Amino acid sequence: AQKVTQAQTEISVVEKEDVTLDCVYETRDTTYYLFWYKQPPSGELVFLIRRNSFDEQNEISGRYSWNFQKSTSSFNFTITASQVVDSAVYFCALSEYVGANSKLTFGKGITLSVRP
Amino acid sequence: DTGVSQDPRHKITKRGQNVTFRCDPISEHNRLYWYRQTLGQGPEFLTYFQNEAQLEKSRLLSDRFSAERPKGSFSTLEIQRTEQGDSAMYLCASSFGLGASGNTIYFGEGSWLTVV
Repeated sequence: AQKVTQAQTEISVVEKEDVTLDCVYETRDTTYYLFWYKQPPSGELVFLIRRNSFDEQNEISGRYSWNFQKSTSSFNFTITASQVVDSAVYFCALSEYVGANSKLTFGKGITLSVRP
Repeated sequence: DTGVSQDPRHKITKRGQNVTFRCDPISEHNRLYWYRQTLGQGPEFLTYFQNEAQLEKSRLLSDRFSAERPKGSFSTLEIQRTEQGDSAMYLCASSFGLGASGNTIYFGEGSWLTVV
């Protein structure tokens, strides 16, 4: 069975601080996908990134960066120089690679509050 | 290029009534998903369509729930004889995929259901 653990439930930072959101996953699959989604108060889940399990290169997109470490089953997300607009709930998710369904298993989410 | 749209966004209903939610996926997406999200939790998979065929249903989808995608485009999720435990946000998502490879799933803004 697949499982995603986001141990942090709420994080509060002051604008311009860096913040890292942790994600640990469990799966018996040898290949899989990992995702991060952002959920602002409006409710829509906004896709941020998808990573293949066989691609362990870290990725940077603007102020966002992701650190994938297969050895520790972690896929952490860092926001550099946080802004008030980053305030949202962030979900890490896991899906199987080969299955046509590709259904997602989500963690419980981390509520990030960025104060001015 | 419109995203996934859901209607209605909010629904308040009395216990025992039936409710129906509609989802219009991203144009040309062949896969459509329904998820349910309760407060403080991540979304949980309910069911999945590839074109008009419903290929998988979660154990969470009791007999009171039925989903359809008659022409392989929009989908409806009906809940009969609603119970207070059905109160949640119902998220629709879509993706485009061929064969057995996984793919990125894009979500709508969700339909909030409150059963009183």
